[in-house]
Amino acid sequence: NAGVMQNPRHLVRRRGQEARLRCSPMKGHSHVYWYRQLPEEGLKFMVYLQKENIIDESGMPKERFSAEFPKEGPSILRIQQVVRGDSAAYFCASSPPPPGVAFFGQGTRLTVV
Amino acid sequence: AQRVTQPEKLLSVFKGAPVELKCNYSYSGSPELFWYVQYSRQRLQLLLRHISRESIKGFTADLNKGETSFHLKKPFAQEEDSAMYYCALTQYNFNKFYFGSGTKLNVKP
Repeated sequence: NAGVMQNPRHLVRRRGQEARLRCSPMKGHSHVYWYRQLPEEGLKFMVYLQKENIIDESGMPKERFSAEFPKEGPSILRIQQVVRGDSAAYFCASSPPPPGVAFFGQGTRLTVV
Repeated sequence: AQRVTQPEKLLSVFKGAPVELKCNYSYSGSPELFWYVQYSRQRLQLLLRHISRESIKGFTADLNKGETSFHLKKPFAQEEDSAMYYCALTQYNFNKFYFGSGTKLNVKP
């Protein structure tokens, strides 16, 4: 089992562009979480998804951010019209059903220039 | 509101010294508490959880509901323990994990 895979590891975007971050959960895991880590801060919960469903998106900014976890393929965190303040490390975690301990990916470091 | 507080950003100790990384939490229900560790250039990984009451790599953590604390302890620190440590809390249905801001442990030779 390769573990939770995130790509790309590093992503540079200009202001106004779109950023797409991918997360492939561990085999057999149907629960995915996205977290954001700003410099010098802890991980902040963004969204919790199961296959084809958003269960809890209370940590997602109301605009420009969206997430999906389709029946086939990886989970995608999409940020439209990126701004400098979006620069952060974005971590994905997955857990098996029923939801339990989360296993983390290595993160995607987004830099907005 | 749920919150996890790790008051120390950086903790430096000498090899062989005892170490205690502090974690305090506020939560209205019955939380599940965890310690995660991130070694240099590696992903965040689970170190231990309070319900399993295990000792992992010599680390232990006791949940103190009266003081709402879940401090991580090790009697004799090793250089390979140098890493970032995050305390985390989740509720019974694992809907989300709340993380502290992390403590960087530096074990000096």
